[in-house]
Amino acid sequence: QVQLVQSGAAVERPGASVRVSCKTSGYSFTSYYVHWVRQAPGQGLEWLGWINPNTGGTTFAQKFQGRVTMTRDTSTDTAYMELNRLSFDDTSVYYCARERGLITARSPPEPFDYWGQGTLVTVSS
Amino acid sequence: EIVLTQSPGTLYLSPGERATLSCRASQSVSSSHFAWYRQKPGQAPRLLIYAASNRASGIPDRFSGSGSGTDFILTISRLEPEDFAVYYCQQYGSSPRTFGQGTKLQIK
Repeated sequence: QVQLVQSGAAVERPGASVRVSCKTSGYSFTSYYVHWVRQAPGQGLEWLGWINPNTGGTTFAQKFQGRVTMTRDTSTDTAYMELNRLSFDDTSVYYCARERGLITARSPPEPFDYWGQGTLVTVSS
Repeated sequence: EIVLTQSPGTLYLSPGERATLSCRASQSVSSSHFAWYRQKPGQAPRLLIYAASNRASGIPDRFSGSGSGTDFILTISRLEPEDFAVYYCQQYGSSPRTFGQGTKLQIK
């Protein structure tokens, strides 16, 4: 079955960086986009961006441009999200999620059909 | 950026009742690129409806979606105990992909 399993909780200082991993299984990793979404405590959902695991190509929300990096390791079917220059406002649960449709040359956008369990990142001094 | 506004913020109903949740977009959204999710406490969101009216895999038929343009509706025909959660709408046709702020469905 499709699974996305994320790394454990992290506590970081302001100004530091955090990297969250998302290990996938049960499907062809390079055939589906992986997105990252975050949720501050008691708040709604905020999209950070996506990575094409086949090519490594990425697209980020403008808010996070220059501060976020998304990479992948096709040998372990794992996606990574790194967020730099952390501030207190970055305290959130970070989720990876699979986009529903297969990646093709003309694939239309699709919603997120499988999600990781979430990783709590706490920024604290 | 397309802003999605959900109403009401909180909805109080009883099991067995019908729930109607709304989502309004700041500009027109293709119905092919509109979804609803349910999030239970401590869990990741779960896809319920995609392309405005299509149920995702494993979603019971008490869930239905409708709408077009800027106004979309999620209807739950007969509420079950597990339906008391937070619901989010999402547009995925343009970047950034945006979510509504959520509607919390609470037991009356």
